Amino acid sequence: EAGVTQFPSHSVIEKGQTVTLRCDPISGHDNLYWYRRVMGKEIKFLLHFVKESKQDESGMPNNRFLAERTGGTYSTLKVQPAELEDSGVYFCASSQERTSGSSTDTQYFGPGTRLTVL
Amino acid sequence: ELKVEQNPLFLSMQEGKNYTIYCNYSTTSDRLYWYRQDPGKSLESLFVLLSNGAVKQEGRLMASLDTKARLSTLHITAAVHDLSATYFCAVEDSNYQLIWGAGTKLIIKP
Repeated sequence: EAGVTQFPSHSVIEKGQTVTLRCDPISGHDNLYWYRRVMGKEIKFLLHFVKESKQDESGMPNNRFLAERTGGTYSTLKVQPAELEDSGVYFCASSQERTSGSSTDTQYFGPGTRLTVL
Repeated sequence: ELKVEQNPLFLSMQEGKNYTIYCNYSTTSDRLYWYRQDPGKSLESLFVLLSNGAVKQEGRLMASLDTKARLSTLHITAAVHDLSATYFCAVEDSNYQLIWGAGTKLIIKP
């Protein structure tokens, strides 16, 4: 079974440009999460989709970030316009439908996209 | 607000030795995860701990959870070089978000 995949693995852009990151979750996983790790800091939650709906987007830093998950399959995270402080590694994770008291909804992570804004 | 503290942040040790990584968190949670990350790779799920007193073991790694003390430990027994990686604990908050520790970079020398 294929794991979570992310594209691209690296992206280097200039300040003010636009970048779109893509995440393909594990097939059948309704939950999709985006996280970010800025250099030297902890991994931070950005948002959570359940199927195509945004369940929680409280971690999105500002309105320059737009996440979509049309059709409830893959997701994109667009940064427009990118700023220097957006540099970091963006992780995507997916999990099955949550079941109380079960560990089957463990989040499985992709390899991340390393974004560098110059 | 849930906060997670992990220590040590860096650990260099010899093969064959035992050591423990600690993860403290500030408010009640039902779930705690341990993940491993090799350089440039995904975060790999190691353990999920769901209840007080939970103990899970996989090879030379053993994780435990004390919800009353809000403490989890990841114990490494007779370390081998292949265990070199960065280890993260993550605690689930009331909104199902994962709140992460800063990570422990573990280097095991032959």
